[in-house]
Amino acid sequence: GESVGLHLPTLSVQEGDNSIINCAYSNSASDYFIWYKQESGKGPQFIIDIRSNMDKRQGQRVTVLLNKTVKHLSLQIAATQPGDSAVYFCASRAGGSYIPTFGRGTSLIVHP
Amino acid sequence: NAGVTQTPKFRILKIGQSMTLQCAQDMNHNYMYWYRQDPGMGLKLIYYSVGAGITDKGEVPNGYNVSRSTTEDFPLRLELAAPSQTSVYFCASSYPAGGAEAFFGQGTRLTVV
Repeated sequence: GESVGLHLPTLSVQEGDNSIINCAYSNSASDYFIWYKQESGKGPQFIIDIRSNMDKRQGQRVTVLLNKTVKHLSLQIAATQPGDSAVYFCASRAGGSYIPTFGRGTSLIVHP
Repeated sequence: NAGVTQTPKFRILKIGQSMTLQCAQDMNHNYMYWYRQDPGMGLKLIYYSVGAGITDKGEVPNGYNVSRSTTEDFPLRLELAAPSQTSVYFCASSYPAGGAEAFFGQGTRLTVV
């Protein structure tokens, strides 16, 4: 079955540094990946997505990289700000299924 | 737009009681989902629906029931509440194609004592 996991449960960075959050997935049929941000007391919020026919996608201060060979994706946040402090989840969807599977999450702590 | 609205935000139940968590979306999304989130954990799918009148079990459906009589509403019913159902519950919906990102409600924090 599909499983999505994260390498580090907590990541602490200094304000202004770049952050990298990693995610591994197990289903080689996964074709769509999403990163969500969940602030304390709120529901997850979409950040950026990427389809399996792409290796990289950039948004505002965020970049997602996909390595299908090793079934790994990462979320890079440039110039991390205190407002970026949250739990970040990756989710994946396997072809033919519209149901995303979520990983455990990484807590990003940004120190001023 | 209100997006996805969940009620109540907080609830304390006694063991054996029942309750319904309400979820409504105003985006005309066909797909709707219920997830639970335990402390320090990811989201586990309880039930989902691909349209009015159609529901299906997710990863952890035991102890829950759902219905989908309209496109907008997707209530989650807890029968005979147990301490193991203490969790934060999130409702979500997604675009008709189901392939894009899901929009989440603010969550319902449920404690069973």
